[in-house]
Amino acid sequence: DTGVSQNPRHKITKRGQNVTFRCDPISEHNRLYWYRQTLGQGPEFLTYFQNEAQLEKSRLLSDRFSAERPKGSFSTLEIQRTEQGDSAMYLCASSLGLVAGIGTDTQYFGPGTRLTVL
Amino acid sequence: GEDVEQSLFLSVREGDSSVINCTYTDSSSTYLYWYKQEPGAGLQLLTYIFSNMDMKQDQRLTVLLNKKDKHLSLRIADTQTGDSAIYFCAESVPSNYQLIWGAGTKLIIKP
Repeated sequence: DTGVSQNPRHKITKRGQNVTFRCDPISEHNRLYWYRQTLGQGPEFLTYFQNEAQLEKSRLLSDRFSAERPKGSFSTLEIQRTEQGDSAMYLCASSLGLVAGIGTDTQYFGPGTRLTVL
Repeated sequence: GEDVEQSLFLSVREGDSSVINCTYTDSSSTYLYWYKQEPGAGLQLLTYIFSNMDMKQDQRLTVLLNKKDKHLSLRIADTQTGDSAIYFCAESVPSNYQLIWGAGTKLIIKP
């Protein structure tokens, strides 16, 4: 399967614990995005990488959240000291990373990691 | 500002056509997308349209774009039970390709 993969698919944790999620993008894709989705809502942008560089972070991404993409391939999203409000689906997407203004840069999504904080 | 709006629910009979509507506000958007999300799953790209196009057809799917009114629609012909899902409209921010999303329309199929 050459699509975007995410692990784990489900994570249940207690408030105050740290969690880490992994995303493996489509192999030739340069851009990688993290989104958060709560019930009844569309995805909310968190951050994105162009290769290993983190280019933009949403104000939704508090200092408890950190994302890395050390070698420009897979990425991890860590949430420290989890809170019940962090319960959501965390989605990863990747795209080729075309230069803005030239064609479309379609994002392809993984299956998501559902986080439940008790 | 940037905002994408969709109706929350649409109910159709199996075999009929479904039309899901979306309005957006950023007139500089270059691409508009439709994604499908089944329960517990990620987002599946259905189709997209470039802003200089009025229509795009792909098998049972027809996308119509009215750029003047900033209105996008997705028509699904011969709706089947497998089409039950939430359909998201998204517009692409031209400067950095980020997507602005609607809240999704839940398509309910009646037998």
